[in-house]
Amino acid sequence: QKEVEQDPGPLSVPEGAIVSLNCTYSNSAFQYFMWYRQYSRKGPELLMYTYSSGNKEDGRFTAQVDKSSKYISLFIRDSQPSDSATYLCAMSGMTGGFKTIFGAGTRLFVKA
Amino acid sequence: GAVVSQHPSWVICKSGTSVKIECRSLDFQATTMFWYRQFPKQSLMLMATSNEGSKATYEQGVEKDKFLINHASLTLSTLTVTSAHPEDSSFYICSARDSLTSVETQYFGPGTRLLVL
Repeated sequence: QKEVEQDPGPLSVPEGAIVSLNCTYSNSAFQYFMWYRQYSRKGPELLMYTYSSGNKEDGRFTAQVDKSSKYISLFIRDSQPSDSATYLCAMSGMTGGFKTIFGAGTRLFVKA
Repeated sequence: GAVVSQHPSWVICKSGTSVKIECRSLDFQATTMFWYRQFPKQSLMLMATSNEGSKATYEQGVEKDKFLINHASLTLSTLTVTSAHPEDSSFYICSARDSLTSVETQYFGPGTRLLVL
């Protein structure tokens, strides 16, 4: 079993839709949870960062962490074609000296 | 803030030659930098963790003599692919942690695309 599981997609939605991206994990030591966005042929860009459980909102993006279920989500409201990218979840914790584990990435296409 | 640059952005070389890729944190100090490799439509594969002033820590299966890493200062790490072969062709991405503000988040460079002929 991988430490972090993420559906690679692709996920295709119409413009304006609410997008839900998810990851599950197995290591309960993870405390820090990140979402990165990666456009084709570019390096990943940090979108959201959350410590422990709870929600965090930044504009059209909301990150949720449910440590009891070992499940994290990223919601994108009013999705735009410019949101089309690969979204990678990532997490780390005290174990392994804060080594970050990345999900496989979900490819998202937002159609105009 | 938190900008990481990589140079070159792309390189084509002949088989057997060595290629050096630079990773710089432009507006913060990074005691730890990471080197990743990414194949098309796949996620990031961590190759090694680079710590300023000490030897890099390589992931299992990564040849340290082939992928030489030097982290000589708080803002610069280099990856040298020695005696490159076509199978080394890939997208190489570095990232850096801001030593002063965060031990968790990583800021990524734009990547270097390497093509070995």
